[in-house]
Amino acid sequence: ELKVEQNPLFLSMQEGKNYTIYCNYSTTSDRLYWYRQDPGKSLESLFVLLSNGAVKQEGRLMASLDTKARLSTLHITAAVHDLSATYFCAATRIYGGSQGNLIFGKGTKLSVKP
Amino acid sequence: DADVTQTPRNRITKTGKRIMLECSQTKGHDRMYWYRQDPGLGLRLIYYSFDVKDINKGEISDGYSVSRQAQAKFSLSLESAIPNQTALYFCATSDLGQGQSDTQYFGPGTRLTVL
Repeated sequence: ELKVEQNPLFLSMQEGKNYTIYCNYSTTSDRLYWYRQDPGKSLESLFVLLSNGAVKQEGRLMASLDTKARLSTLHITAAVHDLSATYFCAATRIYGGSQGNLIFGKGTKLSVKP
Repeated sequence: DADVTQTPRNRITKTGKRIMLECSQTKGHDRMYWYRQDPGLGLRLIYYSFDVKDINKGEISDGYSVSRQAQAKFSLSLESAIPNQTALYFCATSDLGQGQSDTQYFGPGTRLTVL
């Protein structure tokens, strides 16, 4: 059974600082996704990581995937207040393209303070 | 216009009532999903459908049923609502066509309260 764990679950940062959110998954996964959710809003897709060593960057966020360690990281560089949100990782295992359910972590609530 | 829409956006109902949540999409995706979100628990999959003739139970399907009326429409029903079904419900769609990443795109959510 695929399980996904994120840590930390709560993160309070100062503006300008760097930090990393970790996402561990329990069994082999073909794809790893990162989403952002603002309070009371829907989920917005940030990154999809498809292979070992994949790295994607958008602005101050960079995501990476290590399939051997079953670990994905979301690195925040020089945090700004606008990054305050809850970040979810989700993993899926696909069998021949016919199965692909997302298993979500519990989310990391990020608060960036001046 | 939004690619994935959900109706209603908010609903308050009483224990024992039947309620239907509707989801429509204009993305042309074959795959559709229903999730519920509870504080501190993340999102959990209720049902999913990979095409009109394919319906599958997710992690927490008890007490729910679904109908895939068309490629673009996927409804979630609570046959007899109970208070612990109070949650935020999301519909999502994805496309695993050639060259696609199967990224799921989420609707705006329906906040359901069962009294």
